[in-house]
Amino acid sequence: GESVGLHLPTLSVQEGDNSIINCAYSNSASDYFIWYKQESGKGPQFIIDIRSNMDKRQGQRVTVLLNKTVKHLSLQIAATQPGDSAVYFCAENINSGGGADGLTFGKGTHLIIQP
Amino acid sequence: EAGVTQFPSHSVIEKGQTVTLRCDPISGHDNLYWYRRVMGKEIKFLLHFVKESKQDESGMPNNRFLAERTGGTYSTLKVQPAELEDSGVYFCASSQVRGATGGQYFGPGTRLTVT
Repeated sequence: GESVGLHLPTLSVQEGDNSIINCAYSNSASDYFIWYKQESGKGPQFIIDIRSNMDKRQGQRVTVLLNKTVKHLSLQIAATQPGDSAVYFCAENINSGGGADGLTFGKGTHLIIQP
Repeated sequence: EAGVTQFPSHSVIEKGQTVTLRCDPISGHDNLYWYRRVMGKEIKFLLHFVKESKQDESGMPNNRFLAERTGGTYSTLKVQPAELEDSGVYFCASSQVRGATGGQYFGPGTRLTVT
């Protein structure tokens, strides 16, 4: 499978702890943001999304926070489990008004869960 | 429901040769996207089909790359002639409705190695 250690930022947390993964985006026109999880040998898997008219959205064990003022996105994972070990990518696009559908991805963060 | 599938999973070719990658989107998904990740870089958008029409091909790197989606079902991405810098992982994604929330569903990728 694809190596996840391609000079990516790494976050190491203890199993059971909460983790926060951060992402900065550059396009102030972006209005739709997604977090993807990629495990070795697999394609990106959708975790959670948020539109720009919201600043927080919660899912199962995950929360996404959006700060449009500083163009910052974060993913919080509660009570991390070994299966959460993966590379996490933020992605953005201009979803409304017929904007381009192609997603712009961030560099990714490698999350390692320590037993 | 079957997910996005890609073939082959891995291809090794020599510089100057031709390679064709195939993507089968989720059944009923009109929107099909190609992305790639070259070593050490972010996942980059290549192009977007709506049914059989190219909606956006702004990410295609040069005219050595040709994408087709005859009949609006599966898609192929041909690289001819392949160069060393084309090595990377090529992802295909699909979505049912353009601009829909819930993200794009990604396939496992094809790892292309050009020697």
